Amino acid sequence: GENVEQHPSTLSVQEGDSAVIKCTYSDSASNYFPWYKQELGKRPQLIIDIRSNVGEKKDQRIAVTLNKTAKHFSLHITETQPEDSAVYFCADYNAGNMLTFGGGTRLMVKP
Amino acid sequence: DSGVTQTPKHLITATGQRVTLRCSPRSGDLSVYWYQQSLDQGLQFLIQYYNGEERAKGNILERFSAQQFPDLHSELNLSSLELGDSALYFCASSPEVGEPYEQYFGPGTRLTVT
Repeated sequence: GENVEQHPSTLSVQEGDSAVIKCTYSDSASNYFPWYKQELGKRPQLIIDIRSNVGEKKDQRIAVTLNKTAKHFSLHITETQPEDSAVYFCADYNAGNMLTFGGGTRLMVKP
Repeated sequence: DSGVTQTPKHLITATGQRVTLRCSPRSGDLSVYWYQQSLDQGLQFLIQYYNGEERAKGNILERFSAQQFPDLHSELNLSSLELGDSALYFCASSPEVGEPYEQYFGPGTRLTVT
């Protein structure tokens, strides 16, 4: 089955610094790559997504890049703030018509 | 608020018992997905229904089953419960027409098996 690997599992940055989370996937048919943010005890919420016909997408302080050849995609958060602290999940929508999630990255932004 | 509702919020039950979790999708969404999130683990896809029919199946145990009713709400049935079934169970919905769409997650049901 599809496998999505996410790194790092934890990431600690100083407020104002940038944070980068990377994911790799295995199914070459995957065509949709969302990123979800989950605060403690809350539901996952979509923060940005990218489709396979696009290489990069940006929304204010958040950007996602996709390299289909290498089968990896990354989340970039600039000017991090304490409220960015949460667990971030990448996922891909693959030939099995399902979202397969990465293992998550716990981001801690220190004030 | 995503517009997806789940009941109950919390459920505590004993091993061997059976429970039913309920989900109402966002208005207009035809697809419902169920996920399990165990402690310190990611989101594991269980099953998807689209307009009443099973569409995709993930790592769902045989002790678990689901269905989607004509009014599009869905129920996840968990039987012969084991301690390891303790987890957060999320339901998500999407329009699911053509290309993959954003999935909107409900608040989850926290199941504790004692």
